[in-house]
Amino acid sequence: EPEVTQTPSHQVTQMGQEVILRCVPISNHLYFYWYRQILGQKVEFLVSFYNNEISEKSEIFDDQFSVERPDGSNFTLKIRSTKLEDSAMYFCASSFLQGATGELFFGEGSRLTVL
Amino acid sequence: SQQGEEDPQALSIQEGENATMNCSYKTSINNLQWYRQNSGRGLVHLILIRSNEREKHSGRLRVTLDTSKKSSSLLITASRAADTASYFCATPTGENSGYSTLTFGKGTMLLVSP
Repeated sequence: EPEVTQTPSHQVTQMGQEVILRCVPISNHLYFYWYRQILGQKVEFLVSFYNNEISEKSEIFDDQFSVERPDGSNFTLKIRSTKLEDSAMYFCASSFLQGATGELFFGEGSRLTVL
Repeated sequence: SQQGEEDPQALSIQEGENATMNCSYKTSINNLQWYRQNSGRGLVHLILIRSNEREKHSGRLRVTLDTSKKSSSLLITASRAADTASYFCATPTGENSGYSTLTFGKGTMLLVSP
């Protein structure tokens, strides 16, 4: 069964370092998303991406964050200069239909620990 | 303000019992979705109910939607230990993009004891 895959599963980094989280969405999906979940808290929307551009972004998704679809398969989230409060589980998701009309398929997440 | 708020925050039951979780939301929606998350794992879609539907079933799951009260409920019948997980409702948001994204509530943590 097709699935969304994310790498790395866990990354530890020093504050101020750049981090890139990678995702391979399901191949025929058109819409891509990043969410994050701080330990024990709710799943928070970061950004949605369609047709090679950002559709929507939240207040969390500031200038330190960027997304890219460098080729036909990967979807990346870059954090330019990590802060302690960026420590969280980051989930990539994809959907065939626009998120509000169809289900999202989530990856297993990338746990980011900023020291 | 929260778009989707589940209650209770935590629910502990015995195997075989039914579990009911509720979700309230604030804005008009065209659908509402429920997801499940096992500890430390990704979210898995359970069911989507459209605004013109009042009730929907999928296996042991029953979802209701009351748009006049802006609320939904998820019922898991004959629960099993494997149902232990967090359950989230999700509603469309993103006014600037035509409500293209889903916003999740805080979730209900369900513990089913053998």
